[in-house]
Amino acid sequence: EADIYQTPRYLVIGTGKKITLECSQTMGHDKMYWYQQDPGMELHLIHYSYGVNSTEKGDLSSESTVSRIRTEHFPLTLESARPSHTSQYLCASSEFLAGGGGETQYFGPGTRLLVL
Amino acid sequence: QKEVEQNSGPLSVPEGAIASLNCTYSDRGSQSFFWYRQYSGKSPELIMFIYSNGDKEDGRFTAQLNKASQYVSLLIRDSQPSDSATYLCAVNRDTGRRALTFGSGTRLQVQP
Repeated sequence: EADIYQTPRYLVIGTGKKITLECSQTMGHDKMYWYQQDPGMELHLIHYSYGVNSTEKGDLSSESTVSRIRTEHFPLTLESARPSHTSQYLCASSEFLAGGGGETQYFGPGTRLLVL
Repeated sequence: QKEVEQNSGPLSVPEGAIASLNCTYSDRGSQSFFWYRQYSGKSPELIMFIYSNGDKEDGRFTAQLNKASQYVSLLIRDSQPSDSATYLCAVNRDTGRRALTFGSGTRLQVQP
């Protein structure tokens, strides 16, 4: 099981502010992911990374950006927050399963963002 | 057609009953299948995975996979109110890119 940390857990911020959501994992996983999820709704992949200096956009268009300078760290940044960015942001990392079962993902506790 | 389909529910079962959650997927090349549980306001947690046809049991949980029919199910025996949550089905389409594709989840309510 992976140890994945996200900070802050809750953030209330005004429109136009720049914010960075932190995500770190201690298992040395190469692959990391950011999801956005509104209450009661499905997960939407917004960014992923296969390793250091590798980042890709996900299925859902997002105004956020990510970076991956260190294996353990995958921060997400919003240059100018808007009320439409209000959501829960979940970070995950993945590892290969023993026996050829492919990969699975482990999630951090999430950051609840409210933009006023 | 969505890649991973689940009935959104809610599925309501009495305490002590068997809850049966179903999931179908469209990509025949899918290799492995996962069930996550997500309590309201929390992040998903992995409860089971399966990649061979048949049944896999872990405590009160049984995952069933039928690749020919492209469905995977999760049975919860002796359901408890604490099992009330949204259950997400996820499919590993390939080991190269984007490890998992998630369904939208089925909300389970276990009535005391």
